Amino acid sequence: GNSVTQMEGPVTLSEEAFLTINCTYTATGYPSLFWYVQYPGEGLQLLLKATKADDKGSNKGFEATYRKETTSFHLEKGSVQVSDSAVYFCALSAHTGTASKLTFGTGTRLQVTL
Amino acid sequence: NAGVTQTPKFQVLKTGQSMTLQCAQDMNHEYMSWYRQDPGMGLRLIHYSVGAGITDQGEVPNGYNVSRSTTEDFPLRLLSAAPSQTSVYFCASSETALALTQHFGDGTRLSIL
Repeated sequence: GNSVTQMEGPVTLSEEAFLTINCTYTATGYPSLFWYVQYPGEGLQLLLKATKADDKGSNKGFEATYRKETTSFHLEKGSVQVSDSAVYFCALSAHTGTASKLTFGTGTRLQVTL
Repeated sequence: NAGVTQTPKFQVLKTGQSMTLQCAQDMNHEYMSWYRQDPGMGLRLIHYSVGAGITDQGEVPNGYNVSRSTTEDFPLRLLSAAPSQTSVYFCASSETALALTQHFGDGTRLSIL
């Protein structure tokens, strides 16, 4: 079946540091890939997505590139801010005939300090 | 600009009690789903619906019932709560069953004693 593996946290960084959160996946066919972000006390929000190999998703300074050869979708940001503190989920979406179903990784908590 | 609304936000139940978690969306989305979020396990799909009158099981359906009588509402029922159902529950919707972007509610934190 489909699965998503992402690095365990928590990840603690100082403001303006470079961020990488690793994500790899296993799937049949050609899934779409996502990063969702969950701020404290809130639901998940779509951060970025990529629908085919070599696509780069980007939003709010975050980027991730769909690498089919390494089955990866690592999240990066050049300079993190305190407001980026949240839990980040990597996910894939695959069609199962009647619907697209999301498979999530376990989440990585990011804490950014001054 | 409501989006997906879940009620209640918090609930404590005793083992064996029943409970309905409410979910409503005002975007006329066809597809709705329920997930549970547990530490170290990400989100897991409980049930989903591709349209009014149609529901199906997800990855972890046991102990939960759903119905979809209207496009807007997709309640999740626990018929006899168990401690293993202590979790945070999220409802999500998307425009169609094959749409890539899902919109999530803020969640219901449920504790079963």
